[in-house]
Amino acid sequence: DTAVSQTPKYLVTQMGNDKSIKCEQNLGHDTMYWYKQDSKKFLKIMFSYNNKELIINETVPNRFSPKSPDKAHLNLHINSLELGDSAVYFCASSQGGTGFLYEQYFGPGTRLTVT
Amino acid sequence: AQSVTQPDIHITVSEGASLELRCNYSYGATPYLFWYVQSPGQGLQLLLKYFSGDTLVQGIKGFEAEFKRSQSSFNLRKPSVHWSDAAEYFCAVGYTGGFKTIFGAGTRLFVKA
Repeated sequence: DTAVSQTPKYLVTQMGNDKSIKCEQNLGHDTMYWYKQDSKKFLKIMFSYNNKELIINETVPNRFSPKSPDKAHLNLHINSLELGDSAVYFCASSQGGTGFLYEQYFGPGTRLTVT
Repeated sequence: AQSVTQPDIHITVSEGASLELRCNYSYGATPYLFWYVQSPGQGLQLLLKYFSGDTLVQGIKGFEAEFKRSQSSFNLRKPSVHWSDAAEYFCAVGYTGGFKTIFGAGTRLFVKA
């Protein structure tokens, strides 16, 4: 069983389009995250949700909107895509509200390419 | 400001040789320290973590790391590298003030036969 899954794995789209990435975890964790990994492999937190409530928003443009319908899902919707949005996006989850202090489980990533 | 530095962008090691990956952190409080590994095309996987206690921690896949408070370091080691260890390695610190984990820029490990 996949612990943290993301769909799609690859996403190629044109500038200006709107796209979504879905994430699901079956670990029973309370906290979920979105990370962006750029071309230099630098990994940066974008959002963090605990029990469906937003707890971190790291100065991400308003074009990015996370949605957590339940604590097992955290989706990322991106409006008006720009070239600079091209990256690999990772979903992760951890147990508890202070999960950032403990192990995070990562999904396989979604490679977004904006042309 | 809190930060994690991995001085080596990439390292090449011969198979069977020992490995040490360096990590330095800047953090005022007691650090929660991690090493993650990312194989090509995969997500990150936790190798080991340090919260308190014994400063030498053992992880999966034969890795270990030593916390040295005086040097603000948490270096990762393995006595004998296997070709399957070729991957990207990330050091990270749990930042209680920001409710988040801060990752270093990563070190890419190449293993030559």
